Amino acid sequence: QQQVKQSPQSLIVQKGGISIINCAYENTAFDYFPWYQQFPGKGPALLIAIRPDVSEKKEGRFTISFNKSAKQFSLHIMDSQPGDSATYFCAATANDYKLSFGAGTTVTVRA
Amino acid sequence: DADVTQTPRNRITKTGKRIMLECSQTKGHDRMYWYRQDPGLGLRLIYYSFDVKDINKGEISDGYSVSRQAQAKFSLSLESAIPNQTALYFCATSDRDRGQAQYFGPGTRLTVL
Repeated sequence: QQQVKQSPQSLIVQKGGISIINCAYENTAFDYFPWYQQFPGKGPALLIAIRPDVSEKKEGRFTISFNKSAKQFSLHIMDSQPGDSATYFCAATANDYKLSFGAGTTVTVRA
Repeated sequence: DADVTQTPRNRITKTGKRIMLECSQTKGHDRMYWYRQDPGLGLRLIYYSFDVKDINKGEISDGYSVSRQAQAKFSLSLESAIPNQTALYFCATSDRDRGQAQYFGPGTRLTVL
């Protein structure tokens, strides 16, 4: 049973548009929520991460929004570019350092 | 040079064969992990090790074993490979003193016929 549920499975966005990926969790012990970006043939690379004591974190065009009461968090990719085309995974971990991953979202940015 | 390396990058083997996947890191991290990736399932933890003498099972350890030969080396073995172990395998590392971020290797694509 997946501890982190991720949606959508895939999305297509036009260049310059906004990509939004959503994740939900049940385990209230989770205290670290990273997002990973994976290109074909490569390993996942840490993109951005948030802790539950803040509601939003922004790094460049990537923003995490976090809703602790709803147990949901999302990744927003602003001004999407073709180079952002990749698979994105949300994840969560408690202080046991074991990451639980979502199923992944394949993002395609059309030029 | 890559911080986390995995060998081999691709491997095709037959049912019943023993196979070992190797991971080495130059990041100086104390913690190492093995995950497998399957389409639609994300990545799932197989084993993890917080130091050379500390090895723990993850959520899908059946059919796998590991060995932490040194702080920088962590290998994954399939004692008797079966077709449903066909997957992408990733090694990852983290540092106890640098929080919970994990850093992944390039992966090994394993096919069991």
